[in-house]
Amino acid sequence: DTAVSQTPKYLVTQMGNDKSIKCEQNLGHDTMYWYKQDSKKFLKIMFSYNNKELIINETVPNRFSPKSPDKAHLNLHINSLELGDSAVYFCASSHDQGAAEAFFGQGTRLTVV
Amino acid sequence: QKEVEQNSGPLSVPEGAIASLNCTYSDRGSQSFFWYRQYSGKSPELIMFIYSNGDKEDGRFTAQLNKASQYVSLLIRDSQPSDSATYLCAVRPGGKLTFGQGTILTVHP
Repeated sequence: DTAVSQTPKYLVTQMGNDKSIKCEQNLGHDTMYWYKQDSKKFLKIMFSYNNKELIINETVPNRFSPKSPDKAHLNLHINSLELGDSAVYFCASSHDQGAAEAFFGQGTRLTVV
Repeated sequence: QKEVEQNSGPLSVPEGAIASLNCTYSDRGSQSFFWYRQYSGKSPELIMFIYSNGDKEDGRFTAQLNKASQYVSLLIRDSQPSDSATYLCAVRPGGKLTFGQGTILTVHP
């Protein structure tokens, strides 16, 4: 009974392809996030949704498009993948926008070749 | 200036020693401060949070906050090899949880 689950765990793809990463949480949380962790381990927020509504959209290329069909799911679609997109992408959730703890999924290691 | 800054290390301490991890932040309006631990190849997990100036203790961990100096630290007493990980400081100014670059801690037997 994983709290925050992401699929796939590993994703290897060629430049120019389009790919999606799925995230689901069974904690009943209102807020979900996507973070990108680069090779230097820096964890940077990309998007945040609260009850299916986008509340944080950091400076992220338009090729990245999040979608939240319901508050338990937050998917990330990436168009025209580039080498620089290679990173670990973490989905996370928290009870609400101001909640202390964010629970993280296991991460998706994306490698663009 | 980065929003949250940490010394990336690596910080190496002998088993049984006290490990001291430091973090500074730029947004004076920040109200919540967190320490996450991340083992290699794993996801971050919360180990401490602190909201008020002063110290907060939980087992072998002590978080210290000084809002005037915009400084937060984590002390790990009686360090164990299993504490070897990357420690991420995070600050919540508003709805966004912002992380530092992490400090790599190695505890050697």
